[in-house]
Amino acid sequence: AQSVSQHNHHVILSEAASLELGCNYSYGGTVNLFWYVQYPGQHLQLLLKYFSGDPLVKGIKGFEAEFIKSKFSFNLRKPSVQWSDTAEYFCAVNPYGNNRLAFGKGNQVVVIP
Amino acid sequence: EAGVAQSPRYKIIEKRQSVAFWCNPISGHATLYWYQQILGQGPKLLIQFQNNGVVDDSQLPKDRFSAERLKGVDSTLKIQPAKLEDSAVYLCASSLDRGNQPQHFGDGTRLSIL
Repeated sequence: AQSVSQHNHHVILSEAASLELGCNYSYGGTVNLFWYVQYPGQHLQLLLKYFSGDPLVKGIKGFEAEFIKSKFSFNLRKPSVQWSDTAEYFCAVNPYGNNRLAFGKGNQVVVIP
Repeated sequence: EAGVAQSPRYKIIEKRQSVAFWCNPISGHATLYWYQQILGQGPKLLIQFQNNGVVDDSQLPKDRFSAERLKGVDSTLKIQPAKLEDSAVYLCASSLDRGNQPQHFGDGTRLSIL
């Protein structure tokens, strides 16, 4: 079964700072990769996804993620965060063609105005 | 497009009692999922339905948890009897089908066991 690791569970940064959240997975085959975001009081929303093609994917709200197959990683980045980016971010992976998602433990990100 | 609907939003019960959660997926979504999210952890898949059939229930504690999706649309998840460790948020999600489709999540039901 696949597993997902996210480090630095709590991240605090100031507005305009850059954000990078790490995600590593363990699965030997082809995978689909996702980042979900949960804003305070809201449901999980899809931020971006990678199925195939260009390993640098762009999502909503200025976020992007890079799939590095050799490192089994799918790190999330945003060059300049805003207060409204305060949320919990989850990395998730499923084997290609199988929608059984495995989630990481999440990163709680707090952006200070 | 209406999202995934879940009820109730909150539930408090005592251990050994039973509880049920309801989910109505996005219209037209054939695949429905139930997840358990314990505080400080990511969601864990409990059961996956394709229309009204179970695709994957390998992580469902079948001695106390059950779920059904009789008409292939809405679904219920039941816990009987509840244990303290069942305190969690129960999330429902749906997707168009089982293939490479993103899942859409509901707001969840927060269950507290006393």
